[in-house]
Amino acid sequence: AQSVTQPDIHITVSEGASLELRCNYSYGATPYLFWYVQSPGQGLQLLLKYFSGDTLVQGIKGFEAEFKRSQSSFNLRKPSVHWSDAAEYFCAVTSGGGADGLTFGKGTHLIIQP
Amino acid sequence: GAVVSQHPSRVICKSGTSVKIECRSLDFQATTMFWYRQFPKQSLMLMATSNEGSKATYEQGVEKDKFLINHASLTLSTLTVTSAHPEDSSFYICSAISGGDYGYTFGSGTRLTVV
Repeated sequence: AQSVTQPDIHITVSEGASLELRCNYSYGATPYLFWYVQSPGQGLQLLLKYFSGDTLVQGIKGFEAEFKRSQSSFNLRKPSVHWSDAAEYFCAVTSGGGADGLTFGKGTHLIIQP
Repeated sequence: GAVVSQHPSRVICKSGTSVKIECRSLDFQATTMFWYRQFPKQSLMLMATSNEGSKATYEQGVEKDKFLINHASLTLSTLTVTSAHPEDSSFYICSAISGGDYGYTFGSGTRLTVV
């Protein structure tokens, strides 16, 4: 069965500093990977996704992620965080069939210090 | 872009009653929709996959008789929590696949409180 691990429950970063959120997946075939952001009491907004091709994926709000098959990782990065980036971030994986739901990691709560 | 509308955003119901949550794809047709449940400060857990015109597929451990799913049209799926109990209180989120690039679009969620 597929699974996603986000090892950091909380991360605190100073405003303007760089950010990296870790995500490791377990999946037998080629994974379809996603990063979502959730503000309190809200739904999820897609930041970026990876299916194939270039392993460095650019997303919205200045985020990027790099797929590393050898490490089973899909870490999310941002060079300079803003206070508005404070939120919950979820990494997710699914199969390529398009008929399956997403398996989510437990999420990483990002706190931005002024 | 693709939009999924979910209603209501919040609902409080008495124990033993049923509540219906609607999930609509506003600008695209969704043959498949998904229902997730999220406990406070936890991740989203897939409950079921809703297919237009056929029975939903439930994940292991999800009671199909408690969580009734109907996907009667290409733009609407409903989740009915039957005989609700306080332990059913949770945040329920629906999702639909929009387009051929596996764009999973999420609704804004429904906060259910059973008292």
